[in-house]
Amino acid sequence: QKEVEQDPGPLSVPEGAIVSLNCTYSNSAFQYFMWYRQYSRKGPELLMYTYSSGNKEDGRFTAQVDKSSKYISLFIRDSQPSDSATYLCAMTNTNAGKSTFGDGTTLTVKP
Amino acid sequence: DTAVSQTPKYLVTQMGNDKSIKCEQNLGHDTMYWYKQDSKKFLKIMFSYNNKELIINETVPNRFSPKSPDKAHLNLHINSLELGDSAVYFCASSPGGDTHYGYTFGSGTRLTVV
Repeated sequence: QKEVEQDPGPLSVPEGAIVSLNCTYSNSAFQYFMWYRQYSRKGPELLMYTYSSGNKEDGRFTAQVDKSSKYISLFIRDSQPSDSATYLCAMTNTNAGKSTFGDGTTLTVKP
Repeated sequence: DTAVSQTPKYLVTQMGNDKSIKCEQNLGHDTMYWYKQDSKKFLKIMFSYNNKELIINETVPNRFSPKSPDKAHLNLHINSLELGDSAVYFCASSPGGDTHYGYTFGSGTRLTVV
């Protein structure tokens, strides 16, 4: 069983929709949670990172962590065609020295 | 100014050949990594170096040998390339040894072995 499972997608939504991207994990030692966005033929870029349970907002993006359920989500409000990309969740624990990634969810936002 | 730069961007080579990929970061980060991304987008760590010292070597075949001449550079040499080595290889860096604040990735090297 993988340590991090990500909703596989692909996901296709109309412009303006609210998008929910989700990951579950099994390692209760994970404390730090990240979301990356990867455009086609580019490297992943860090979107958001959070620590502990709760919500963190940055513009149209909200990252949510529920440690009791071992579940994290990324919400995108008012989605735009420029949001079309693969989204990767990642997580790590103190002194791990590495992050563990989900498999990614490919999102297409149609104009 | 590119933060993490990798060369070459594309590499097409025959089975059995030896090839190298170079990476440089100008962020002043202490730690650099090599990740492999397969066709299904799964990112798996291969190696990490902290200030030129090998920290993580994640069950990678001996044919893969990283080298870090200084903390701003991390190269990857691959001997006797096999078809299964075809993938995108990403270099990344992070401040310090922890990855709490995430990585900065390069744009990747797309390796195709024929």
